[in-house]
Amino acid sequence: DTEVTQTPKHLVMGMTNKKSLKCEQHMGHRAMYWYKQKAKKPPELMFVYSYEKLSINESVPSRFSPECPNSSLLNLHLHALQPEDSALYLCASSQVRSGASTEAFFGQGTRLTVV
Amino acid sequence: GENVEQHPSTLSVQEGDSAVIKCTYSDSASNYFPWYKQELGKGPQLIIDIRSNVGEKKDQRIAVTLNKTAKHFSLHITETQPEDSAVYFCGSGTNAGKSTFGDGTTLTVKP
Repeated sequence: DTEVTQTPKHLVMGMTNKKSLKCEQHMGHRAMYWYKQKAKKPPELMFVYSYEKLSINESVPSRFSPECPNSSLLNLHLHALQPEDSALYLCASSQVRSGASTEAFFGQGTRLTVV
Repeated sequence: GENVEQHPSTLSVQEGDSAVIKCTYSDSASNYFPWYKQELGKGPQLIIDIRSNVGEKKDQRIAVTLNKTAKHFSLHITETQPEDSAVYFCGSGTNAGKSTFGDGTTLTVKP
C-alpha cells in the first residue's frame, strides 16, 4: 500500500465554522507533512511531524492547528478561516532517514473553499 | 532559506520529441532533488529523484542530471507522449526533511 488518503476531497466552510482535514497512511512512514497549494503555484510547506511530534511550523497562522494522534494519522483543524485560505491542502508522508531527505508520497488533496 | 528557480514556465513539444526542464537552487546544503508530476485534480507524484552524491540517474524515458558546482539540475524526458502532459515541479531538500519547490513547468505534448 503506497497510498496517502485524504478526506474529505472537497470542503466548503464559512468563516465562523470549525472543520478538520484528515490524512492517513499505512506505509510505516514516521514523517508527515501538510502543504498548501494555490492555483498555478507550487506546494508550500506548512507543518512537519516527525515521530508524531511537531518539528517544523512554517509560521502558519494559529487558525490552522495540526495534530498527529498516531503514526498513521494526521489532522489539520481549521477555525475562523479567511477566504484567502481557500486552496488545495496536501498531506504527504515519508520515511525518516538520518542524514538525508527521502521521497515524499502525496495524497490527492482536499480542495477547500472558504465562503 | 532555500530558493529554487525553474525554467521554462510553459513548454510545448510535439509527440516523440524530447523535453528539458531546468532548475537552480541556492542552498549548498541541499542534498536531495526530486521531480514531481502533477496532473489536474491530483496530488504531486514523484517521477524521479537524485541525491547529491550522484551526477545522473535514468529511468526508462526519464533522466535527471545534477551539477553540484553550478547548483543546477535538469529533467529530461525523451520520446514524449500525450500522457506526459502535466505540471512538473522540481524540488530541493536538506537533511531537515523540508522540500522547497520550483514554480512549476506546464508541459503540453501535442499528438
